Formats: sequence, C-alpha cells, structure tokens
Amino acid sequence: AIRMTQSPSSFSASTGDRVTITCRASQGISSYLAWYQQKPGKAPKLLIYAASTLQSGVPSRFSGSGSGTDFTLTISCLQSEDFATYYCQQYYSYLLTFGGGTKVEIK
Amino acid sequence: QITLKESGPTLVKPTQTLTLTCTFSGFSLSTSGVGVGWIRQPPGKALEWLALIYWNDDKRYSPSLKSRLTITKDTSKNQVVLTMTNMDPVDTATYYCAHSPKSADYFDYWGQGTLVTVSS
Repeated sequence: AIRMTQSPSSFSASTGDRVTITCRASQGISSYLAWYQQKPGKAPKLLIYAASTLQSGVPSRFSGSGSGTDFTLTISCLQSEDFATYYCQQYYSYLLTFGGGTKVEIK
Repeated sequence: QITLKESGPTLVKPTQTLTLTCTFSGFSLSTSGVGVGWIRQPPGKALEWLALIYWNDDKRYSPSLKSRLTITKDTSKNQVVLTMTNMDPVDTATYYCAHSPKSADYFDYWGQGTLVTVSS
C-alpha cells in the first residue's frame, strides 16, 4: 500500500498567518491527491482534489500544489475557523490511504 | 442535495460481528462511476479507509482488514451495508460512510459518523 506521510504532525499559528502543510507519498501518485479539513466531533470536509482543484464552496485562501510524491496545502491567511486537523488522501491506487493528519492550533 | 447517515449498534462485544448501514439520498448508486465508501477513526487517531463499493458492484477492501470485511449495496433502498467480523476493542472507532464522485476515489460528501465501542 502507498504510505502517506504528513508534516508537521502539529503546529501553532496565529490568525492572519500563511501556513503550509506537507504530504509525501511513498511512491508517485501523479495528481491523485485530496485534502480534507476536520474539526473536533465533526466529519471530514473535502477541501481540494486532484492535488490543486478547489472543491465548490471552499474559500480561495486554501490552495494545493504538487505532483508525483510531494504535495502541499497552503492557507494564505489563516482565519479562526481554520484551526482544525488536515488530512491528505491518495487515490492513485485503488487501495486508498490517508496521511496521519496535521493539527493546526492557535498560538 | 447529497446526504448520508450511518446507523448500527453503538456497543458490540469482542468476537461479535458488526453490521453498519449507510442510508443516503440525493444520488443513485446505479449512476455510472459513483461509489460509497467506509472510513473509520479511532478516538484521537487518524482516518483509515476500510472499503468502497461502486455503481457496478465492484468492491475494494483495505488489505489489512479484507478478511473481516464485506460491503454490499441495495440500490432500491439507497443503502450500503458494511459487516466486520470478529470485533476487537482496537476496532473501537467512529465509522463514517461517504460518497465518491464519478470515477474518482476521493470523498466529497460524508455522513456524520457513528461511534462504535467494542467492550465486554
């Protein structure tokens, strides 16, 4: 199975900051990558698919980039509602795998 | 709009079989390319994909759990059922079902999740 590694596992940031989360695949996955946001007690919410395509209704401060094995999720100007845990997921292989998550906390 | 909701027992005993039902609306599982998947999340831990069933009854399972899982669909009832045999306390988790759009195995709509505790 393809292993997805996210870094960092957690970090603190302030409202207004530009933040970047990294996801690395153990083998090339082209652009078959999705990003999700999850808040405590809630289901994950799809933010980005195909590595860089913003899901309908998701604010434009979210962006994704990368292909092959290295991917990033960027939040250009962190808002209070963005403090959450973020997961990447590959769908290159039909055996789907998620990353371990990155928790964005308030500094 | 698309909605999904999970139902099933909240408590199961070790060695028992878990049966979860996902009831959905706003789409048909007979539409070409569409799928419904199951994902779980132990308390405080990461998401783990379990299984996925497609419009054409093709099925995919997590390799680590394949021997214990069965996924089926009832298109007429708009339901997908997941069974997991030989439950263990480590299977305690919130179980989600989710919609997979045409020919793409990511999940754009999720149910609210159901917490299943495995304990004697």
